[in-house]
Amino acid sequence: AQSVSQHNHHVILSEAASLELGCNYSYGGTVNLFWYVQYPGQHLQLLLKYFSGDPLVKGIKGFEAEFIKSKFSFNLRKPSVQWSDTAEYFCAVNLPTNAGKSTFGDGTTLTVKP
Amino acid sequence: SQTIHQWPATLVQPVGSPLSLECTVEGTSNPNLYWYRQAAGRGLQLLFYSVGIGQISSEVPQNLSASRPQDRQFILSSKKLLLSDSGFYLCAWSRTGGHGELFFGEGSRLTVL
Repeated sequence: AQSVSQHNHHVILSEAASLELGCNYSYGGTVNLFWYVQYPGQHLQLLLKYFSGDPLVKGIKGFEAEFIKSKFSFNLRKPSVQWSDTAEYFCAVNLPTNAGKSTFGDGTTLTVKP
Repeated sequence: SQTIHQWPATLVQPVGSPLSLECTVEGTSNPNLYWYRQAAGRGLQLLFYSVGIGQISSEVPQNLSASRPQDRQFILSSKKLLLSDSGFYLCAWSRTGGHGELFFGEGSRLTVL
C-alpha cells in the first residue's frame, strides 16, 4: 500500500516569507496527487491537484506544487505567505487504477505571524 | 452546484450507546462516498467507501459500520460505542470515473464518555 510522508508537522513563518511544505509518497507507478487545506473553522477543501502533463501545477490563492517523479515528491510552495494562509495542509495520493482510495499524510500546521 | 451535508456536528455519547452519523450529497448522481476519521496530528484514515447503493467496502476492522440506503446518502453507525471511537469523522464524495479528488463535509466531532 502506498504511504505519504509530510516531513514538517508545524511550520511558523512571518508574513511575506516563502513557503515550501514537503510531501513524499512511496508508490513507484503512476499516481494522482493532491494538496488539501483546512482553514480554522472551515471544512477540508482541495487546494490543487496533479494528474498528468505539466509537473508544475497552480492552485488557488497563489499556491503551486511541483511533481518530481524521480524524487517521489509533490512539494507545496508559495512565494509570499499571508496571515490568512494559516491552516493545516494535507498531501494525498491515489492510484489511477483505484482513484477512490486516497492515502493522506499526517498534515502540516502552518502558522503565519502578522 | 454540488453540496455535502453532514450531521450532527457535535455528539457526546456514553460508552455502549448506539451511533448514527448521516451524510447527504446534493447536485450530483452516483457519487463515490467515503467516511474518514481524522485524528489530531495523524491525518485522515479511510474507514469506508461506497461506489453505489448497498456497496460498502471497509478499510479497517473496527466497531463501526456504514450503509448507503440511497444514492446520495451515507450513514456511519455503531451498535455499541467504545471510548476509542471518539474522534472527528468526515464524510466526503468524489465523482465516479474521476481522479478521486474529494469534497468534504464539515465533519462530526464524537466524544464517547
